[in-house]
Amino acid sequence: QKEVEQDPGPLSVPEGAIVSLNCTYSNSAFQYFMWYRQYSRKGPELLMYTYSSGNKEDGRFTAQVDKSSKYISLFIRDSQPSDSATYLCAMTSQNNNDMRFGAGTRLTVKP
Amino acid sequence: SAVISQKPSRDICQRGTSLTIQCQVDSQVTMMFWYRQQPGQSLTLIATANQGSEATYESGFVIDKFPISRPNLTFSTLTVSNMSPEDSSIYLCSVGTSGTYEQYFGPGTRLTVT
Repeated sequence: QKEVEQDPGPLSVPEGAIVSLNCTYSNSAFQYFMWYRQYSRKGPELLMYTYSSGNKEDGRFTAQVDKSSKYISLFIRDSQPSDSATYLCAMTSQNNNDMRFGAGTRLTVKP
Repeated sequence: SAVISQKPSRDICQRGTSLTIQCQVDSQVTMMFWYRQQPGQSLTLIATANQGSEATYESGFVIDKFPISRPNLTFSTLTVSNMSPEDSSIYLCSVGTSGTYEQYFGPGTRLTVT
């Protein structure tokens, strides 16, 4: 079993839709959870990060962590074509030395 | 966040040769990392580049195959040695600050080995 599981998609939605992206993990030591956005032929860009369980909102993006279920989510409201990218979840236990990434979900938002 | 550049952005190399990838940051950073990203797979950490000492390698990666240098707090190199087609991948450097959990990535180097 992989430490981090993420559905690779692809996921295609119409503009304006609410998008839900998810990851599950097995290592209960993970405490810091991140979402990266990666456009084609670019490096990953840090989108959001959260510590422990709970929600965090930033504009159209909401990150949610449920440590009891070992499940994290990223919600995108009012999705735009510019949101089309691959989204990677990532997590680490304390600092950066044991960062683990999901395989990424490719999202396409159609105008 | 820091601005990170990588050279080369892409290369096509022959089997058995070596390629050195450079990572330059516009400010001093505590931590620098090298990752490999293969198609359809998650980012895999190769090693942590330590300033002034030997890199710390993850399981499955060895110094003879992936020698790393980090002469100062803004620069690091990764060499992919004795390449085979299985080394075809995107290689990414990232930077972070000790005590935090955020990492920022460079644009990547797309390597194809023929």
